[in-house]
Amino acid sequence: DAKTTQPNSMESNEEEPVHLPCNHSTISGTDYIHWYRQLPSQGPEYVIHGLTSNVNNRMASLAIAEDRKSSTLILHRATLRDAAVYYCIPSRAGGTSYGKLTFGQGTILTVHP
Amino acid sequence: NAGVTQTPKFRILKIGQSMTLQCAQDMNHNYMYWYRQDPGMGLKLIYYSVGAGITDKGEVPNGYNVSRSTTEDFPLRLELAAPSQTSVYFCASSPRDTPNTGELFFGEGSRLTVL
Repeated sequence: DAKTTQPNSMESNEEEPVHLPCNHSTISGTDYIHWYRQLPSQGPEYVIHGLTSNVNNRMASLAIAEDRKSSTLILHRATLRDAAVYYCIPSRAGGTSYGKLTFGQGTILTVHP
Repeated sequence: NAGVTQTPKFRILKIGQSMTLQCAQDMNHNYMYWYRQDPGMGLKLIYYSVGAGITDKGEVPNGYNVSRSTTEDFPLRLELAAPSQTSVYFCASSPRDTPNTGELFFGEGSRLTVL
């Protein structure tokens, strides 16, 4: 599995954009980049994933560097409900990966009112 | 749909006792997983299943057993509980159609304390 590096913590103010970085320099060409978040006392929830192109959904945007060695999760307007631990997870497609995800320690996002 | 349902939500065990954590999903997902999360840490994969009758070990399987007799249910059994198994346990499922790109759906977790 590709190793990831994320900041231990980040802070933001409510209604401001948040850019959560992730380095995954050992990523292989077929690894998808997944982002999950875990709200306090809850199970992780899917946020977004991508392979090469930037991706948008109702929750967030994912910007993937051209060399795929890093990516950034963008929350366009942070709310208090976005306070969570955010996990960046490269996941190998095909073969015997069977959708298994390897979670690191993630980034703790604090959102101030 | 209820999604992924885990029971119990909380349990205290004595050292050496056994118990089963239940997990059920109603989304007809073929892939199911058990993770554990120790305080301040990320999740670690214990066991996973790619369909009824098929299970395999994850990163930290020692001290646990699983079975998958139906698509819906994936119970996790702890034999001879030890303090090191004090953790929060999460069950997850994923649709077979996109096993390597689709999302995992997680339950709310079962908090286990072994004293």
